[in-house]
Amino acid sequence: QQPVQSPQAVILREGEDAVINCSSSKALYSVHWYRQKHGEAPVFLMILLKGGEQKGHEKISASFNEKKQQSSLYLTASQLSYSGTYFCGTGNRDDKIIFGKGTRLHILP
Amino acid sequence: DSGVTQTPKHLITATGQRVTLRCSPRSGDLSVYWYQQSLDQGLQFLIQYYNGEERAKGNILERFSAQQFPDLHSELNLSSLELGDSALYFCASSSHIGSEKLFFGSGTQLSVL
Repeated sequence: QQPVQSPQAVILREGEDAVINCSSSKALYSVHWYRQKHGEAPVFLMILLKGGEQKGHEKISASFNEKKQQSSLYLTASQLSYSGTYFCGTGNRDDKIIFGKGTRLHILP
Repeated sequence: DSGVTQTPKHLITATGQRVTLRCSPRSGDLSVYWYQQSLDQGLQFLIQYYNGEERAKGNILERFSAQQFPDLHSELNLSSLELGDSALYFCASSSHIGSEKLFFGSGTQLSVL
């Protein structure tokens, strides 16, 4: 039931774009994205609910395809501050949130 | 600061021992989650409480137990500790259950020697 994230790790140069994918084997109601910096707690980025909407800020956004049970996180023109481990979490309406193993993102200057 | 308080921050103990991890959720939050984070294993869901009642269980070992008290703080009890229990344990809270934003505490780093 744990969602599968890909890639496991990414190394980019500042200014490059990245896409992190998350897929589940079961039907989803919601997808959650969090970022964790080394030695810190995970921090909320966004939640996407059923409907396939793309949400987010100008440079960090995400999509949710409920039919394919997939979500993707898009990081545009990456900044050094984007470095960290990104987790997707999946859940049902009144259910626990299960996280994937994470994608490590390292941004080089 | 997420508003979620976890104590202690660090815990070093020996195999076979028992420890208690404590979590105070954000003011007003009714739901508490416990996660275990080991190297390369991501955030493993352990258990969830909502307003004092167990709501969902994950891959929680029988040696582990938890509860949420009337004041909504929660404790995770780990007994008969093994080396493999060494990990970072996070508590998170949310206002309700389901698809809500989670606020994570800073975690308790447990080292079993």
